[in-house]
Amino acid sequence: KAGVTQTPRYLIKTRGQQVTLSCSPISGHRSVSWYQQTPGQGLQFLFEYFSETQRNKGNFPGRFSGRQFSNSRSEMNVSTLELGDSALYLCASSLGQDSGYTFGSGTRLTVV
Amino acid sequence: QKEVEQNSGPLSVPEGAIASLNCTYSDRGSQSFFWYRQYSGKSPELIMSIYSNGDKEDGRFTAQLNKASQYVSLLIRDSQPSDSATYLCAVSGSGTYKYIFGTGTRLKVLA
Repeated sequence: KAGVTQTPRYLIKTRGQQVTLSCSPISGHRSVSWYQQTPGQGLQFLFEYFSETQRNKGNFPGRFSGRQFSNSRSEMNVSTLELGDSALYLCASSLGQDSGYTFGSGTRLTVV
Repeated sequence: QKEVEQNSGPLSVPEGAIASLNCTYSDRGSQSFFWYRQYSGKSPELIMSIYSNGDKEDGRFTAQLNKASQYVSLLIRDSQPSDSATYLCAVSGSGTYKYIFGTGTRLKVLA
């Protein structure tokens, strides 16, 4: 059974650019969540999607957005990148709220 | 007050000892509780879930939940150097469709 696949694994972008990250969940998992992980802040919740609907959103500025497609694959977009956006972005899929997450390997974004 | 709190550690225990990791949470309506292990440079990996008061055992791991006191703990028996990692507590908020993670406790098992 394939795991959660995130692409790309690494990205280097310049301030002001935008970036799109992709996540393919485990087959059958309709819930996809995104987290930002930094050494100082730990895992910070970005948003959660279920059946193409955003059910919850964390306390991030509107520059952070996402979507989910009918095949449950999800993308997140960050516009007007700032240096502080440098982080590991993790996608996780699950069967539902009471189920644990399976995380992808993450996308490490560096903004220079 | 943080929603989910953990001592950042490091917690150092000798090989073969019991490691005890603790987590407190603020939302009394929380329903689901999880422990994840994250090795350096890797993604978090689910190791335990618990939903009702009491103990739940899985191999060398025991999760304990006390909803009245709003804490959840993880015991690792016969700790091994390979258990050295950061352990993240996660709590599913009531009806919010999101998990809140603690910042993690770094465990070091000394050979």
